[in-house]
Amino acid sequence: AQSVTQPDIHITVSEGASLELRCNYSYGATPYLFWYVQSPGQGLQLLLKYFSGDTLVQGIKGFEAEFKRSQSSFNLRKPSVHWSDAAEYFCAVGPQMDSSYKLIFGSGTRLLVRP
Amino acid sequence: SQTIHQWPATLVQPVGSPLSLECTVEGTSNPNLYWYRQAAGRGLQLLFYSVGIGQISSEVPQNLSASRPQDRQFILSSKKLLLSDSGFYLCAWKNGPGELFFGEGSRLTVL
Repeated sequence: AQSVTQPDIHITVSEGASLELRCNYSYGATPYLFWYVQSPGQGLQLLLKYFSGDTLVQGIKGFEAEFKRSQSSFNLRKPSVHWSDAAEYFCAVGPQMDSSYKLIFGSGTRLLVRP
Repeated sequence: SQTIHQWPATLVQPVGSPLSLECTVEGTSNPNLYWYRQAAGRGLQLLFYSVGIGQISSEVPQNLSASRPQDRQFILSSKKLLLSDSGFYLCAWKNGPGELFFGEGSRLTVL
């Protein structure tokens, strides 16, 4: 079955510290991979995406993610967290060859930032 | 530029009442449209998607229905709301390869 697992429900880091949010997926073929961010009461904003090529992708707001095929993982990282990064983060996978283009989302990781 | 609008933003409805949430996309044509629901403390669940006018695919059996009366309009409805229908409903569109673009969401509370 296709699924996305974000094992950490909550993560708390101090401002200025590094961050890594984990994401593992189960999919029949190599999917498209995404990270979205959601501020409270808002919609989702795309941080970054991986389609093919370089397995380290850069996104907005200083985020990056690395695709590791052997581990079926797509972890999100940021070297220095800012207080404004406090939000909920969702990993998602989508089909490369499917016109319906349905994304499957993980359950999310809520990031808290200590001053 | 493309934009997506959802309304109402917030809705409080009694159990058994009807529901209509609207989503409109501007600046694009023939988009794939999606309704997701986000329950409290949970991830996003795909409810419906549409690849064209009048074409609706349901992902999970439930108390809700969707319609696409116009190319850029997607409506989520219910005849009789249940408590379990409470949640944050997100509309999204996709046009060509790439990511989904999400609206700001509609928060539904059923009492």
